[in-house]
Amino acid sequence: EVQLVQSGAEVKKPGESLRISCKGSGYNFPNYRITWVRQMPGKGLEWMGRIDPSDSYTDYSPSLQGRVTISADKSISTAYLQWNSLKASDTGIYYCARQPHRDAMDVWGQGTTVSVSS
Amino acid sequence: DIQMIQSPSSLSASVGDRVTITCRASQLISNSLAWYQQKPGKAPKVLLRTAFRLHSGVPSRFSGSGSGADYTLTISSLQPEDFAAYYCQQYYVTPYTFGQGTKLEIK
Repeated sequence: EVQLVQSGAEVKKPGESLRISCKGSGYNFPNYRITWVRQMPGKGLEWMGRIDPSDSYTDYSPSLQGRVTISADKSISTAYLQWNSLKASDTGIYYCARQPHRDAMDVWGQGTTVSVSS
Repeated sequence: DIQMIQSPSSLSASVGDRVTITCRASQLISNSLAWYQQKPGKAPKVLLRTAFRLHSGVPSRFSGSGSGADYTLTISSLQPEDFAAYYCQQYYVTPYTFGQGTKLEIK
């Protein structure tokens, strides 16, 4: 079964750092890009950026550039989303999804809830 | 960035109704459009790819049409499990922007 399994919920304080993960299984991980999508409380979906695990090429939404870092370790079929200094406005649910070339996101992780509050 | 204008933002309908949701891109996107369904507390699921290709396992009551910058999702006969939020997304050029969503509620 093809699946993406994300790390568990996080509760953090402003200014703290955080890395969440997304582990793929059931397929050849380097062959598909991984995209990260944010959903703020009660809001819609927002494309954050993507990574090609085969060469770690990344592409970010201009609105988030510099706030987050996307990385991947193809040897363990895992992608990451990292913040160096969290803000309260980073509170939300973060989804990873598999994206074939020039196609829709066809497999989604279960989501990781991030809560940032003092 | 390409803007995706989705309408309506909310819709009330009954089981058995035919409903249509539209999505307009701010530029031509060459059928590089997907439709997703999201139920409360769950991850989104893809329904249609390349504007009209039904994803594996998706019921045939869902269909997509359109070209250029204008696209439509149609549900031919609403079932109880279809009441959810729906999003369009263009993947023609990054950032791969989403529409603001349509919340489909039971009348």
